[in-house]
Amino acid sequence: GEDVEQSLFLSVREGDSSVINCTYTDSSSTYLYWYKQEPGAGLQLLTYIFSNMDMKQDQRLTVLLNKKDKHLSLRIADTQTGDSAIYFCAETSGTYKYIFGTGTRLKVLA
Amino acid sequence: ETGVTQSPTHLIKTRGQQVTLRCSSQSGHNTVSWYQQALGQGPQFIFQYYREEENGRGNFPPRFSGLQFPNYSSELNVNALELDDSALYLCASSLQQEGTDTQYFGPGTRLTVL
Repeated sequence: GEDVEQSLFLSVREGDSSVINCTYTDSSSTYLYWYKQEPGAGLQLLTYIFSNMDMKQDQRLTVLLNKKDKHLSLRIADTQTGDSAIYFCAETSGTYKYIFGTGTRLKVLA
Repeated sequence: ETGVTQSPTHLIKTRGQQVTLRCSSQSGHNTVSWYQQALGQGPQFIFQYYREEENGRGNFPPRFSGLQFPNYSSELNVNALELDDSALYLCASSLQQEGTDTQYFGPGTRLTVL
C-alpha cells in the first residue's frame, strides 16, 4: 500500500541545521515533494526531487533521496525562527494524487 | 501571476446541511485537486478534475462531489454533513503534462460542522 511516515517533532537552535526525515513505501514513486505549512495557512511548495536523482540543492535547502531504502530528507541550513512550521513530505507516482505524511513540526529556538 | 484562491475562508455549518467550497486555479493551470486536512494530520486526497471531468478519486463517499468549469475554477460540494467533516479543505492547481504535475495549494477553507 501507499504510506508516508515522518517524525512528529523537531527542535533546533537558531543558526543550526535542521534535518527532517521521511520514509515512503510506494516503489513506483516518481516525484517527491516538500511542503511547508504555517499556522492557519495552506501548503507552500519548498522543493521537489525526481526519483532518479540522489540530491538536490536549492539555496538553504538540500534534499537527499535514498531510493533503495525509500528514505527522503530535507536539510535546512542556518535555520531561522521564520522556519518554524510544519513540514510535509509527499510522494506521487505520476498519477493524479499526492500521498502526504503526517507532518513534522519544526520549532526553532532563539 | 495570480496564485490559487479559495472561498470562503471560514465556514460553520450544522450536521445534515450541505456546503459548497470554491477554488480559482493559478493562471495557466488546467487541473484542480481537492484535499481534506483534519486537525493534526496530513492532507488526504479527495478527487481531481481535469477538462471538467473527474480524473481520479480518493477514499471519500459519494456525498463528496465536485465540478470544474471552463475557466478551470472548481467547486467542492459536500452533502449531509457529518461532524467528522470538520477540517481544512485545500485546493491545489497544476498544469497536467508528461511526467508529473506539480501542485500549488491555496490557503484553504476551514469548515466547522456543529
